[in-house]
Amino acid sequence: EDKVVQSPLSLVVHEGDTVTLNCSYEVTNFRSLLWYKQEKKAPTFLFMLTSSGIEKKSGRLSSILDKKELFSILNITATQTGDSAVYLCAGRPNTGNQFYFGTGTSLTVIP
Amino acid sequence: NAGVMQNPRHLVRRRGQEARLRCSPVKGHSHVYWYRQLPEEGLKFMVYLQKENIIDESGMPKERFSAEFPKEGPSILRIQQVVRGDSAAYFCASSPGLGQGGTYEQYFGPGTRLTVT
Repeated sequence: EDKVVQSPLSLVVHEGDTVTLNCSYEVTNFRSLLWYKQEKKAPTFLFMLTSSGIEKKSGRLSSILDKKELFSILNITATQTGDSAVYLCAGRPNTGNQFYFGTGTSLTVIP
Repeated sequence: NAGVMQNPRHLVRRRGQEARLRCSPVKGHSHVYWYRQLPEEGLKFMVYLQKENIIDESGMPKERFSAEFPKEGPSILRIQQVVRGDSAAYFCASSPGLGQGGTYEQYFGPGTRLTVT
């Protein structure tokens, strides 16, 4: 059964800390992995990763994929209170149309 | 350049009533996905539709739930005879289609929060 597992389930840090969010996946005929940020609304797209070892970066956020070990990490440096959200990762297979989402990591950044 | 629109944003129904959730995709997108997010759970795929066709409904409950995406107008997710367990946030996403090399993404709407009393 295809699945995506995220850890930790929740995280509380102070502003300025660096955090690493983990996502492991088992997706048949894996094609890509996506990261989303969900606040009190719909998920917003962060990254899509298809190749192993190539870091994607956007401001203080970065992500990388390891297709051998079947996981991805999302790093956030110098966290701010605005980073507080649930971070979702999703695996997409090469065939079929489902995106398999993890349950998310709830990040709280306190001032 | 409007994104995915969903309405209503909040819907309250009594047990046994029908709920209709609407989704208007990004202009030009012909692929629509519906997801359900239960409290404390991740997004669960329900159904994937193209114009006038259901492509994959493997995530849909077998009874009471149906979806359509007509040639004209929004996609509709319909839940008949709602029960308390149907209370959830329902998200719609659209995409332009299956891109080459997996380069496309899904654009999500703001969701409809259904509460069944």
